[in-house]
Amino acid sequence: GESVGLHLPTLSVQEGDNSIINCAYSNSASDYFIWYKQESGKGPQFIIDIRSNMDKRQGQRVTVLLNKTVKHLSLQIAATQPGDSAVYFCAETYMEYGNKLVFGAGTILRVKS
Amino acid sequence: DADVTQTPRNRITKTGKRIMLECSQTKGHDRMYWYRQDPGLGLRLIYYSFDVKDINKGEISDGYSVSRQAQAKFSLSLESAIPNQTALYFCATSTGPNQPQHFGDGTRLSIL
Repeated sequence: GESVGLHLPTLSVQEGDNSIINCAYSNSASDYFIWYKQESGKGPQFIIDIRSNMDKRQGQRVTVLLNKTVKHLSLQIAATQPGDSAVYFCAETYMEYGNKLVFGAGTILRVKS
Repeated sequence: DADVTQTPRNRITKTGKRIMLECSQTKGHDRMYWYRQDPGLGLRLIYYSFDVKDINKGEISDGYSVSRQAQAKFSLSLESAIPNQTALYFCATSTGPNQPQHFGDGTRLSIL
């Protein structure tokens, strides 16, 4: 993902609906991708990861999809709950960067009750 | 993540002061990282360490230094703080490449 400066994109969803958060990553050689959730006043919390030899991975209520052709990553949250409200970050890593994580700017998810 | 503890949680200080932020972990991970987060931006890597004898610069290391005193401890210093170093600072740990990093709850640093 690329920085969007001070104005993060925001996704507003109704409680109970599914959420899809998108991320465009920068390097076609990236081989590992990860999603984090950050609530106010807390550090980023690991949600789910995926390696480049996969195109889909499921967790509890979450699914990550990887489309290497267009360098796109998405996080799907099923039956979104108020506790899902947070900022969500994608991150990528690649060998030329020593396998260090490169973070996107984030997306704000707001869940309406 | 209670396994990664950062101190202090908040700090207000003046320009020119030396500041140290501390990070300790009970996860037994070899790799430790320091990041900076500014409003509306993703986390940017300051320094990282893969073991006690290893220190590496990240993308924004100027004005910062680190010390890896033990596997469990990684401290970040600002030798002479300046206002544009006002930010949230996060410490993280991991077991190796292509593994999740686990973050502390951050230090909010304000430099007047």
